[in-house]
Order: sequence, then C-alpha cells, then structure tokens
Amino acid sequence: QKEVEQNSGPLSVPEGAIASLNCTYSDRVSQSFFWYRQYSGKSPELIMSIYSNGDKEDGRFTAQLNKASQYVSLLIRDSQPSDSATYLCAVCPGTASKLTFGTGTRLQVTL
Amino acid sequence: NAGVTQTPKFQVLKTGQSMTLQCAQDMNHNSMYWYRQDPGMGLRLIYYSASEGTTDKGEVPNGYNVSRLNKREFSLRLESAAPSQTSVYFCASSEGYGGLYEQYFGPGTRLTVT
Repeated sequence: QKEVEQNSGPLSVPEGAIASLNCTYSDRVSQSFFWYRQYSGKSPELIMSIYSNGDKEDGRFTAQLNKASQYVSLLIRDSQPSDSATYLCAVCPGTASKLTFGTGTRLQVTL
Repeated sequence: NAGVTQTPKFQVLKTGQSMTLQCAQDMNHNSMYWYRQDPGMGLRLIYYSASEGTTDKGEVPNGYNVSRLNKREFSLRLESAAPSQTSVYFCASSEGYGGLYEQYFGPGTRLTVT
C-alpha cells in the first residue's frame, strides 16, 4: 500500500461546479497535511495546509481532514478553467519528519 | 522578493558527466530540500538540510551529493550522471524543519542524461 494515495484522474468538472479531490494516507500518526497545485511544466505551488480534524476554508478552497478515516480532501468551489492542473497531496507523519507526496490528481475544468 | 530560484532551467548531459544544480532562497528560511519528480512516481526527497551546517539523506540519495553553502544556498551535485537521473529537480525551502512548516518550491531544473 502506498503511503499517500490519490486517484490520478483526470477528474473532469464543468465550469462553476465543485471539484472534490481526495487523498488517503496509511500512517495513522500523520500530523500535517498539505495541498499543492502544479500546472503542467511548472513547480508545485502551496494552496493549503491543515493540521486538525474538520474543515479549513480559504477563498474558493476548502480542505477537509478526517484522521480517524485517514483521508484529506480538497474542495474547489466555482471551478474555473484556470483551476485545471494536477493537485498534489502531501502528508507528514510527525512534527520533525519529512513530507511524503502523492502522485497527484489531474483536474480538468471544462467550459 | 524572488522566493526560491534555481539554475539552470534546462540541462542535457552525457552519461558520466558531472554537474551542479544551484538553489538559492531569499526568505530567510532555515531548511532546504532537493526533490526529483518522475512520471508516476511523485516527488521524492533526495537530500535535505534542516539548518545551516547540516545535511541528511532523503529517500533517493544514491548518485547525488549536496552542499549547504550558507543559509541562502543549497546545491546538488551529480558526480557521474546516469540515464536514470533524467528527471525534473526541484529545490524547496521552509522556515523550519518538519511537518509544521510549509515548503515553497523553486521553478525546477529539467535534466536529461543521454
């Protein structure tokens, strides 16, 4: 089992819809969770970090964390074509440990 | 404020050649990292420097060496390049080391080894 798993996609959503991206992780003691956006040919760009169970909102983005079920998700409201990218989930098992990245989910927002 | 910068952007090497990838950050961050990204493999940590004066191996360190030149700069050296090192290399930095700190990435170096 991979440490951090994401569906590779592509996930296709129409413009204006909610895109839901999911990530599961295997290490039960994971403490920190990050979502990065990566456009084709570009570097990862941090979108959000989340450390506690529940929801964290930032503009059109909402991160949701459920440690009991070992998953973290990213919701993108009012999806725009400019949101079309690969979204990487990263998990850190402890406060003094290294990040483990998933392979990413490719999102396509269609007109 | 440029954030994290990397040079070169592109490089083609022949097998056995050596080269150094340069990384610098202007955010006064203490920790710096080198990753490689390959299709279907995700980002994998090569080496990291938790603080100035320290370096440690990551998940895939074989064939690489690093130098933390000062607080701003962290270089990655390939002593004898192999085709398996064809990849995109990203440098990242964070205020501190570990999961409480967000990492910020440079633009990357696309390396091809023939």
